[in-house]
Amino acid sequence: GAVVSQHPSWVICKSGTSVKIECRSLDFQATTMFWYRQFPKQSLMLMATSNEGSKATYEQGVEKDKFLINHASLTLSTLTVTSAHPEDSSFYICSARDWGTLEGLGYTFGSGTRLTVV
Amino acid sequence: AQSVTQLGSHVSVSEGALVLLRCNYSSSVPPYLFWYVQYPNQGLQLLLKYTSAATLVKGINGFEAEFKKSETSFHLTKPSAHMSDAAEYFCAVSESGNTPLVFGKGTRLSVIA
Repeated sequence: GAVVSQHPSWVICKSGTSVKIECRSLDFQATTMFWYRQFPKQSLMLMATSNEGSKATYEQGVEKDKFLINHASLTLSTLTVTSAHPEDSSFYICSARDWGTLEGLGYTFGSGTRLTVV
Repeated sequence: AQSVTQLGSHVSVSEGALVLLRCNYSSSVPPYLFWYVQYPNQGLQLLLKYTSAATLVKGINGFEAEFKKSETSFHLTKPSAHMSDAAEYFCAVSESGNTPLVFGKGTRLSVIA
């Protein structure tokens, strides 16, 4: 079935540094990628939607200059948390629409990245 | 705007008992509905989905859900709970199949031996 590989699984960084999270679709073309953020014991909150080759669309309240999203190819989308601060610590998950797979309509999720900013 | 309400943030059942997790949705168009399971520090795994075909949907691990338009519900059930079912469960809705999923707040299922 459709697989989205997300790396790293966890990362600890110092305050003020930047962190890049990658999501790759392994056996399908991810025209659209969604990025979510999840706080402990809470639901997933949509941060942005990215389409291959165009600028991402950010949800209200999400700082586009802090959370840089690049979707340069049909199989790779990246989220860069710039100048990270402790309040950016969270669980980040990507999701891709898996058009054209045997499962048909579906949204495949990466395994998530636990970011801790110290 | 579409939304999902999951009744009960925490449900506890005995091993072997019926599992019932409730989900009600709001959508201006016929929705696509999903149930996902999440284990600690992991991504989401699809349990089942409704895409306007059969109203009773069977998923993995013995789970199933029934789409009831009149009740705007999509409750998740499993006849007999197993210890390995303990996890967080999310109901989600999409209006067009190409828009991002909107999630409920989740229900944590505990299974007691």
